[in-house]
Amino acid sequence: DTGVSQDPRHKITKRGQNVTFRCDPISEHNRLYWYRQTLGQGPEFLTYFQNEAQLEKSRLLSDRFSAERPKGSFSTLEIQRTEQGDSAMYLCASSPGWSNQPQHFGDGTRLSIL
Amino acid sequence: GIQVEQSPPDLILQEGANSTLRCNFSDSVNNLQWFHQNPWGQLINLFYIPSGTKQNGRLSATTVATERYSLLYISSSQTTDSGVYFCAVAYYGQNFVFGPGTRLSVLP
Repeated sequence: DTGVSQDPRHKITKRGQNVTFRCDPISEHNRLYWYRQTLGQGPEFLTYFQNEAQLEKSRLLSDRFSAERPKGSFSTLEIQRTEQGDSAMYLCASSPGWSNQPQHFGDGTRLSIL
Repeated sequence: GIQVEQSPPDLILQEGANSTLRCNFSDSVNNLQWFHQNPWGQLINLFYIPSGTKQNGRLSATTVATERYSLLYISSSQTTDSGVYFCAVAYYGQNFVFGPGTRLSVLP
């Protein structure tokens, strides 16, 4: 069990650029979640996958955001045409494929928009 | 959706003191976790505790699901306990709803 891995740890980019983050969940975890955390707030849910199927998306996930989990293993989160308000910590979590199991979080990707 | 409240919002302790953090939630849940977010932003899983009581060293937690609250106890606090403590709840495998957190500062 190597834990949830996220890459990169930090990303600095100019407004208007596209960025992509990667999350590798704990192996054999079927569920994968993305959250966003802004300064001074608790994490907020963005979307989650059961294997390769994206089952739920928050209204926070505007059309500039897209997430994929093509083979049911790693996942990517892409933000197009970044805006200042996208600056945040993006957290990934995974859990086994049945309910009432703990979620395990990665260390996050901190995005800063210049 | 489920609402989560945490109290107190801020807490300052002298090293060695004990404290109790509270989490109230508005609806039935079957998943509740307590996390410690350290100054580097890492979310450390403290307890998975949808009901009952658990202990891990100086930390313990109790959840009374029927009354929709959970408590986190920190005994003999240390400076390394500083950070933000989050309660997060979920219903049947759905996404977590996090509380606003309790910011703890332990002074030497």
